[in-house]
Amino acid sequence: GAVVSQHPSRVICKSGTSVKIECRSLDFQATTMFWYRQFPKQSLMLMATSNEGSKATYEQGVEKDKFLINHASLTLSTLTVTSAHPEDSSFYICSATSVGGSYNEQFFGPGTRLTVL
Amino acid sequence: QKEVEQDPGPLSVPEGAIVSLNCTYSNSAFQYFMWYRQYSRKGPELLMYTYSSGNKEDGRFTAQVDKSSKYISLFIRDSQPSDSATYLCAMSYASGNQFYFGTGTSLTVIP
Repeated sequence: GAVVSQHPSRVICKSGTSVKIECRSLDFQATTMFWYRQFPKQSLMLMATSNEGSKATYEQGVEKDKFLINHASLTLSTLTVTSAHPEDSSFYICSATSVGGSYNEQFFGPGTRLTVL
Repeated sequence: QKEVEQDPGPLSVPEGAIVSLNCTYSNSAFQYFMWYRQYSRKGPELLMYTYSSGNKEDGRFTAQVDKSSKYISLFIRDSQPSDSATYLCAMSYASGNQFYFGTGTSLTVIP
């Protein structure tokens, strides 16, 4: 149980295009989903927290107009990187906490590697 | 000062060795402590989750928390090549669900 999937697992795009990454909780309903970014040999940096049906809360320094988050249902959150640039190339990981579960237990997706040319 | 400090390594040990991984933290308000394992190009997976000071054991893994020293450890007994991965510590407050991660320690277990 408690499986989180991400799609796509890997994407390469041209500078200036937009990329959408999906995060799904497959066998549970997620009250909250988190989006992280991880650069090589660095830790996970929280970008934003999203709750179903409400606006995402962004961490300091994360541009909300550049990283659009939509949490349309209890099983799906999407992150759209708008007008991507090479410096946005990174490993993007989502996680989710389950309805009724311990809010300290986050289940992570497998990550999406974004390369912007 | 970072909230959570973790030696990035890399750490290389022979198969069968006991591995000790550590994190220190500065905020005494942290109440929950987690250890995650992350294989290359994969998402983190939860290994251990503790709340109170003391030890928690699960198979070959033991998590230790010392709140007075703001220090947590993960011990791996009889290490295996399949344990080769990056190990991340994470912490959170009693309220709220934001995690604070260490930078991760890269471990290689040599057959």
